[in-house]
Amino acid sequence: GNSVTQMEGPVTLSEEAFLTINCTYTATGYPSLFWYVQYPGEGLQLLLKATKADDKGSNKGFEATYRKETTSFHLEKGSVQVSDSAVYFCALRTTGFQKLVFGTGTRLLVSP
Amino acid sequence: EPEVTQTPSHQVTQMGQEVILRCVPISNHLYFYWYRQILGQKVEFLVSFYNNEISEKSEIFDDQFSVERPDGSNFTLKIRSTKLEDSAMYFCASSETDGRNEKLFFGSGTQLSVL
Repeated sequence: GNSVTQMEGPVTLSEEAFLTINCTYTATGYPSLFWYVQYPGEGLQLLLKATKADDKGSNKGFEATYRKETTSFHLEKGSVQVSDSAVYFCALRTTGFQKLVFGTGTRLLVSP
Repeated sequence: EPEVTQTPSHQVTQMGQEVILRCVPISNHLYFYWYRQILGQKVEFLVSFYNNEISEKSEIFDDQFSVERPDGSNFTLKIRSTKLEDSAMYFCASSETDGRNEKLFFGSGTQLSVL
């Protein structure tokens, strides 16, 4: 079946450090890929998405590239801020199914 | 930006009791969902709801669970006889369409603790 695997957290970084959160997937067909973010006390919010191979999703300085050959969708940011501290969820959705398939989430902690 | 609202934020119940988790989706959305996350595990899909009926459900969503849109604004998840393993964060979500690329809007969740 379809599944998403994310790196274990927490990821602890200093402000302005480079961020990578790894995400790989298993899916039948051609899924759409998403990163959702959950800030403390809030619901999950869509951060970015990519709908086909080699697409790059980007938002708020974050980006992720849909790599079909490695079945990956790693999240990156060149310079993190304290306000980026949150839980990041990688997810996929395939044609014909309404459900999102999520990973476990990765907590990011950024210190000043 | 419009929000999905969930109440209560925390619910504590005794094993075997019925609970109802409540959600107010975004007003012009047509598709509604429940997800849950047991501590340390993945966020899992439970059910999707459209046009007053269940359109998709997971193996988790057995006869103990039911959903309802009682009044055109609320969307509820009922667990008839709670078990210890139902303890989890429950997220409600809504969307305008069910397209593969569609953005879901999530509430901040209800933390259910079954004792």
